Amino acid sequence: DTEVTQTPKHLVMGMTNKKSLKCEQHMGHRAMYWYKQKAKKPPELMFVYSYEKLSINESVPSRFSPECPNSSLLNLHLHALQPEDSALYLCASSLSSAPGVSGNTIYFGEGSWLTVV
Amino acid sequence: GESVGLHLPTLSVQEGDNSIINCAYSNSASDYFIWYKQESGKGPQFIIDIRSNMDKRQGQRVTVLLNKTVKHLSLQIAATQPGDSAVYFCAEITQAGTYKYIFGTGTRLKVLA
Repeated sequence: DTEVTQTPKHLVMGMTNKKSLKCEQHMGHRAMYWYKQKAKKPPELMFVYSYEKLSINESVPSRFSPECPNSSLLNLHLHALQPEDSALYLCASSLSSAPGVSGNTIYFGEGSWLTVV
Repeated sequence: GESVGLHLPTLSVQEGDNSIINCAYSNSASDYFIWYKQESGKGPQFIIDIRSNMDKRQGQRVTVLLNKTVKHLSLQIAATQPGDSAVYFCAEITQAGTYKYIFGTGTRLKVLA
């Protein structure tokens, strides 16, 4: 079972709505990630937080706003989304954001299925 | 056999046979690679990793091979089982200012009974 928990599992929202996706991990990981995945496509990196600071923003539109309240929580605030933003949003975490460190695998949650209508 | 669909390459193998899933990566400077398995409706699950200073690593029923000369990664699954049916992604870790995990296009593995 995954140790990265995402809520909600499914979300349907209108283009004028404001909603949030939530992610939680209690593995002591200090790097947390948001990925977007469309059907039959690989996950695409959106944001990376390292030690609760935003370290990577992959030119994501401002209608997606990440927040890292503490080392265990990661939120993705959604506002004025478009239908093409409908996708599976994956949260992940790793010990740190430095690769190749022993045990520094990225662990994914089950994802939040977002539908924008 | 192996076929390339419109969006996702598919590999069909008989139960009990060995599977080989291939991945070409883009950045010769990438120094860490991971294979993930993603079942329908679930998030990617870690299978095995390998560092660039290695050319082979074995796990339980899985082996990853790395050929840096041609920037190629493969995942071998021994005695493929129905539970192995999933989409498999390779990921390379590359540095562009800071480290990024970049996923390959993925391969769907179908295990035939």
